[in-house]
This record gives sequence, C-alpha cells and structure tokens, in this order.
Amino acid sequence: DAKTTQPNSMESNEEEPVHLPCNHSTISGTDYIHWYRQLPSQGPEYVIHGLTSNVNNRMASLAIAEDRKSSTLILHRATLRDAAVYYCILKSYGAGSYQLTFGKGTKLSVIP
Amino acid sequence: DADVTQTPRNRITKTGKRIMLECSQTKGHDRMYWYRQDPGLGLRLIYYSFDVKDINKGEISDGYSVSRQAQAKFSLSLESAIPNQTALYFCATSVTGQGKETQYFGPGTRLLVL
Repeated sequence: DAKTTQPNSMESNEEEPVHLPCNHSTISGTDYIHWYRQLPSQGPEYVIHGLTSNVNNRMASLAIAEDRKSSTLILHRATLRDAAVYYCILKSYGAGSYQLTFGKGTKLSVIP
Repeated sequence: DADVTQTPRNRITKTGKRIMLECSQTKGHDRMYWYRQDPGLGLRLIYYSFDVKDINKGEISDGYSVSRQAQAKFSLSLESAIPNQTALYFCATSVTGQGKETQYFGPGTRLLVL
C-alpha cells in the first residue's frame, strides 16, 4: 500500500469544524482512501472511505483533491468524544487486497 | 453484546510462559486478523485468516502462532513469551470487498511480559 503523511497532532475547540489533512502523493488508481480513528483505550473504528468523489456519512465528510494526491477528513462540529488518533490509510482494491497499513496518525485534541 | 470480543482484556505473564489470546466474533465475517500496537505507534499485522482453512503470516509473525478454530474464533498464541512482546493486541474482522472492505476491531488485550 502507498504511504500517507499526516500531521502528528492537531487541536480544535469544541463545536468548531475540524479539517484533518492527509497527503498521499504516490496513490495509485486502484487505491481507496480510508479513515479510521482510535479513541483512548479502544480499538480502531472505521470512519469513512472514498475513491474519487467527496463522501459524507453520519460521522464525517471526506474531501478528495481532484488529483487524488491529498484528502481531508472533516468533522463538522467537534465534540469531546472526537478526541482520538485519526489514521488515513490507502487500500488497494486489487485482487487479494486485505491489509490496512497504519501509520502514526494525527492525534486530535478537543478543547472545551 | 459487542460484535468482536477479546479475552482476556488484560494479562500479565512471565518470560518463557505460553499464553493464548482469544477472539470471537458474531458478525459472520469470513476474514479475521491479529494486530499488535506499541506505544505511540500504529498497528502492525501479525497474522490473518481468510477462512478456516486459510492462515497467513503478516508483517511481524515471528514468535507468534494462530489457530482458526471456527469461522467465529481466531486465537493468537505466544509459545514462549518475551518482554518485547509486551503490547496491546487487537483482533479484527472483515468481509471481502477489496478496496471498499472495512475492518471491525475488538477492544484489545493489554499484555505485559515480565
């Protein structure tokens, strides 16, 4: 899987939007962009994924650059429960694809 | 009830002991995985299984073995535990779906090897 680059940490005020960036300049045409998050003392949980178009779900939005070399996870109103480590992961849809390669992610702190 | 459960949640053992970590899932997924996480780092894949008869080594399988007793059960064993196996261990499941496939993680087992 291709590599992703994320800031080590970010801060946000509660109830404000948060934009978490991810660079993936070596992304291939078969790579999906996945986001997971890990709350303190818990296992990772799936947040959202996309291929080319922007995506929305109940947890977040994913904005994908036109050249697909970067993406941004958007939390529309940060809450204290959103404080977690957020992982941006590329996952190929090629045959036999299975692995999620976790980097160090971005640690998001939410300030009350 | 949780879809992916791990037992025990915490374990302290001594160097040289054999221990087993267990994972069960009620999601009906065919694929199961074992990861370890060291402080401040992301997860690394130890073993994975696509079905009961299919077991594969991951990135860091040395010192570990696994058993897929049934579709719903996947166990990780440390044959002779050593201190650098102290870590947080996660089990995960998924269904096939290639790039769209998402994984569902258990709550983790915190292991301390003295």
